[in-house]
Amino acid sequence: AAGVIQSPRHLIKEKRETATLKCYPIPRHDTVYWYQQGPGQDPQFLISFYEKMQSDKGSIPDRFSAQQFSDYHSELNMSSLELGDSALYFCASSPGLVGGYEQYFGPGTRLTVT
Amino acid sequence: QKEVEQNSGPLSVPEGAIASLNCTYSDRGSQSFFWYRQYSGKSPELIMFIYSNGDKEDGRFTAQLNKASQYVSLLIRDSQPSDSATYLCAFTGTASKLTFGTGTRLQVTL
Repeated sequence: AAGVIQSPRHLIKEKRETATLKCYPIPRHDTVYWYQQGPGQDPQFLISFYEKMQSDKGSIPDRFSAQQFSDYHSELNMSSLELGDSALYFCASSPGLVGGYEQYFGPGTRLTVT
Repeated sequence: QKEVEQNSGPLSVPEGAIASLNCTYSDRGSQSFFWYRQYSGKSPELIMFIYSNGDKEDGRFTAQLNKASQYVSLLIRDSQPSDSATYLCAFTGTASKLTFGTGTRLQVTL
């Protein structure tokens, strides 16, 4: 079965640079979520989209923005990167917005800021 | 206090035994509950989900939910070394975002 695709898988950036992470949801999934997981921590919700509209927002810094496109893929844009942004970034998709739908995670992007 | 509490472990069980993982939550508005397995450096993998009080079985896994006690558990029967991982409990409420616990590290010993 098709899974969530994320690219790139690894990314190394310097402080104050920008980064763009991409997420391709499972086919026919219209809801995308972004999570950030720091070392030794649980995943923290950043932002979600349903049918190309932002549906919820969590602890996402103002330096970050995201959007969902007409083909349902999503991009997370991160500017003025800081050392503390180094983390695993996961995208998850689900077939609907209601809370009961299961979320399936992509393999993640490991971002290292030096 | 975190919204979802889990014992961080490690929980060590011998191969073939039953592993019991527990999770409590504070938000009575929580509606759906999920167990994810995460290997080090990998993404969370959905193992079980449960919405209603009672038990739900899938292969070697059984999820148990008690909304009155705000408690959800995961039983793994016939534990295998490949089950060694961190198990994350999570819930959704009126919003669809997942709120995770800090995870329980399970070690299955030979």
